Amino acid sequence: GDSVTQMEGPVTLSEEAFLTINCTYTATGYPSLFWYVQYPGEGLQLLLKATKADDKGSNKGFEATYRKETTSFHLEKGSVQVSDSAVYFCALSGSSNTGKLIFGQGTTLQVKP
Amino acid sequence: DVKVTQSSRYLVKRTGEKVFLECVQDMDHENMFWYRQDPGLGLRLIYFSYDVKMKEKGDIPEGYSVSREKKERFSLILESASTNQTSMYLCASSEPGTGSRTEAFFGQGTRLTVV
Repeated sequence: GDSVTQMEGPVTLSEEAFLTINCTYTATGYPSLFWYVQYPGEGLQLLLKATKADDKGSNKGFEATYRKETTSFHLEKGSVQVSDSAVYFCALSGSSNTGKLIFGQGTTLQVKP
Repeated sequence: DVKVTQSSRYLVKRTGEKVFLECVQDMDHENMFWYRQDPGLGLRLIYFSYDVKMKEKGDIPEGYSVSREKKERFSLILESASTNQTSMYLCASSEPGTGSRTEAFFGQGTRLTVV
């Protein structure tokens, strides 16, 4: 079945460092791909998305490119801030019409001043 | 602003109790979901509903049931709470269809502790 694999965390960075969180997926058909972020004590909110191969999603300085050839959707940010400390989830929505999302296990990011 | 509201942020219940978690959305979405979040396991789908009175099992439905009597409300029921159901529960809603329309909107979560 469909699945999503994220890099193990936690990830600890200094402020202004470059961030990469790896995400790879297994799916039939042409899934849509998402990154969600969960700040401490809150629910999930959509960070960015891509719906077809080679699409680049971007928001708040974060970017991810839908790479069908490597089945990947890695999250990047050029310069992280303390306020980016959160848990990041990669997810896919399959080609069925149900709207179900399949999530990776989540990666905790801690940014130190 | 779109909104998904869960009735409680924190709950403490005793083993064997029947527990109700309520979720309401104001976006007129057809799809609603209940996920469970545990460290290292990500979010796992318990149940989802694509219409009033319609429901389907997700990946981990055992020990849970759901109710959707109105479009805006989706309830998760723990028939007889057990300690292994201690977790964070997240409700979400979305429109049906593929592509960007399947963006899900989440509630703030309910942290349930069963003692």
